[in-house]
Amino acid sequence: AQSVTQLDSQVPVFEEAPVELRCNYSSSVSVYLFWYVQYPNQGLQLLLKYLSGSTLVKGINGFEAEFNKSQTSFHLRKPSVHISDTAEYFCAVYQGGKLIFGQGTELSVKP
Amino acid sequence: SAVISQKPSRDICQRGTSLTIQCQVDSQVTMMFWYRQQPGQSLTLIATANQGSEATYESGFVIDKFPISRPNLTFSTLTVSNMSPEDSSIYLCSVTDRDRLYGYTFGSGTRLTVV
Repeated sequence: AQSVTQLDSQVPVFEEAPVELRCNYSSSVSVYLFWYVQYPNQGLQLLLKYLSGSTLVKGINGFEAEFNKSQTSFHLRKPSVHISDTAEYFCAVYQGGKLIFGQGTELSVKP
Repeated sequence: SAVISQKPSRDICQRGTSLTIQCQVDSQVTMMFWYRQQPGQSLTLIATANQGSEATYESGFVIDKFPISRPNLTFSTLTVSNMSPEDSSIYLCSVTDRDRLYGYTFGSGTRLTVV
């Protein structure tokens, strides 16, 4: 069975600094990976997804992620964060028609 | 991608009662799911709602506690039965379509507090 591990439960960062949120998945022949964001008191919004092709995936709000098969990782990055990026971020893997989520990373952007 | 309307957005319920949550999609979708997000936790899949047949439940979830209906390709309900404070969570509906290329769309969730 697929699983996802988000290595950091909380990431504090100053505004305009770069950020990386780490995600590792269990190895599989083929894998579909997703990053979602959950703003306070809201549902989940898809940031980006990797299905196949280019290992560098660009998403909304300036986020991107790189699929690394050898390291079984799918880390999310943004070169310069804003206060409005403060939210919970979830990495997820597709398995048997369902999404399996990591534990989430709380990104806190401070002025 | 599909647009989901989930109702109610929040509720406070007495223990021992039941609450039914509705999920309405603006287009026909193949797959509908119900998730639970306990306070400060990640999302856990409760079940897959199957159109015209019984839902498929994940380990740890049973039909008597979380009965699900899906009468057509655009609508589903989740009932949280005989509630206790431990059921206080956010419940989210999610949909995807056959090719899954647009990813999985989520409703805004129902924030349930059981007192």
